[in-house]
Amino acid sequence: SYVLTQPPSVSVAPGQTATLTCEGDNIGSKSAHWYQQKPGQAPVVVVYDDSDRPSGVTERFSGSNSGNTATLTISRVEAGDEADYYCQVWDGNSDHGVFGGGTQLTVL
Amino acid sequence: DVQLVETGGGLIQPGGSLRVACAATGFTVSSNYMAWVRQAPGKGLEWVSIMYSGGSTYYADSVKGRCTISRDKSKNTMFLQLDGVTTEDTAVYYCARKANGFYTYFDLWGQGTLVTVSS
Repeated sequence: SYVLTQPPSVSVAPGQTATLTCEGDNIGSKSAHWYQQKPGQAPVVVVYDDSDRPSGVTERFSGSNSGNTATLTISRVEAGDEADYYCQVWDGNSDHGVFGGGTQLTVL
Repeated sequence: DVQLVETGGGLIQPGGSLRVACAATGFTVSSNYMAWVRQAPGKGLEWVSIMYSGGSTYYADSVKGRCTISRDKSKNTMFLQLDGVTTEDTAVYYCARKANGFYTYFDLWGQGTLVTVSS
């Protein structure tokens, strides 16, 4: 089965840039999506199809996907960005959804 | 308003069955690809199952053989039944809608319902 690997935690100071990675075998050939989940809340998509943002999501969130790594970049990080972030792809070979293990973003 | 509301959580004994429901408003469940995702306490998201608009169903290996996803068009509601539960099935169960078209992400989520498996 397809596996996505994310670092368990990332820390960043306010105003700096956070870079969250998601590794998977040739993930660049798939569409990668990113969700933000705050405590006690359901996940919310912040980037879809590698680099598109849903309406209402700040342009500080951006994404890229190439080779074996998809990346979510959060620029000018704010305290309100502190959350867990999950990457997700669809495995078309098995018709299964796949989530990464999640990265806890801490704003120092 | 477009939303999903899960119900049916609670305490279940090991070996029993769980059945959770997901009621949709503002759109038609049977015209969409609808999924279940669960999250064990303090853990990450785990995709569980999906039902396509045409009725095809798929399951994660962790639940295959003991899980059934279904829908009731008259109630605009989706269901998940999981038999032979163990403590490993303790989780918040979310229903989610796969975005329309060729998209492969989930654009709408419910608030989740907690299922606890314990004796």
